[in-house]
Amino acid sequence: QITLKESGPTLVKPTQTLTLTCTFSGFSLSTSDSGVGVGWIRQPPGKALEWLGNIYWDDDKRYSSSLKRRLTITKDTSKNQVVLTMTNMDPVDTATYYCAHSLYYYDSRGNYRDALDIWGQGTMVTVSS
Amino acid sequence: DIQMTQSPSFVSASVGDRVNITCRASQGISSWLAWFQQKPGEAPKLLIYAASTLQSGVPSRFSGSGSGTDFTLTISSLQPEDFATYYCQQGNTLFTFGPGTKVEIK
Repeated sequence: QITLKESGPTLVKPTQTLTLTCTFSGFSLSTSDSGVGVGWIRQPPGKALEWLGNIYWDDDKRYSSSLKRRLTITKDTSKNQVVLTMTNMDPVDTATYYCAHSLYYYDSRGNYRDALDIWGQGTMVTVSS
Repeated sequence: DIQMTQSPSFVSASVGDRVNITCRASQGISSWLAWFQQKPGEAPKLLIYAASTLQSGVPSRFSGSGSGTDFTLTISSLQPEDFATYYCQQGNTLFTFGPGTKVEIK
């Protein structure tokens, strides 16, 4: 059974750096487990989902174009953890932050993409002085 | 960047109704589209991926169709537990979510 859980501060001040940890079980991000990744997504109160970035078993990383200068995603395979770092936090970054398991799937021609199939419960982060 | 739009933004429907939600991509994304359901206070749940493939455990009243730029999520007979917000998400180039469609009780 795959589970994920986000952890980190609930309150950060403007200009500070946010560090969130996603601790997971039921799968691995080691180099032998191809096609697996973890994504980060956020949702401001009452608003839509926004994808932040993904990290994959082979340490490939992909980031949102609009936020990539502020984001870093790393993994610690031995701890089954993925860490999201977001710099220069602003009140508009107030949101629930989710991590999710990502799994490759293939079309009939062998092309592949990934889907965010299992999500953590999310953690609310407020940015305020 | 690929932008996603959804229509309508709100749907008011009754139990048993057929509901269609449309999603449009700003450029072609083949069939790399997913649909999610989110209930208040809960994390999103994957319903459909690859535009039309039902995720394991999702009821068969949910179906997806489309390719290229235009996609549809259909709920064939709305059940009480289906009142929620639905998001489409493209996976062709990075990921982008649509703005959501809220399905409310009539």
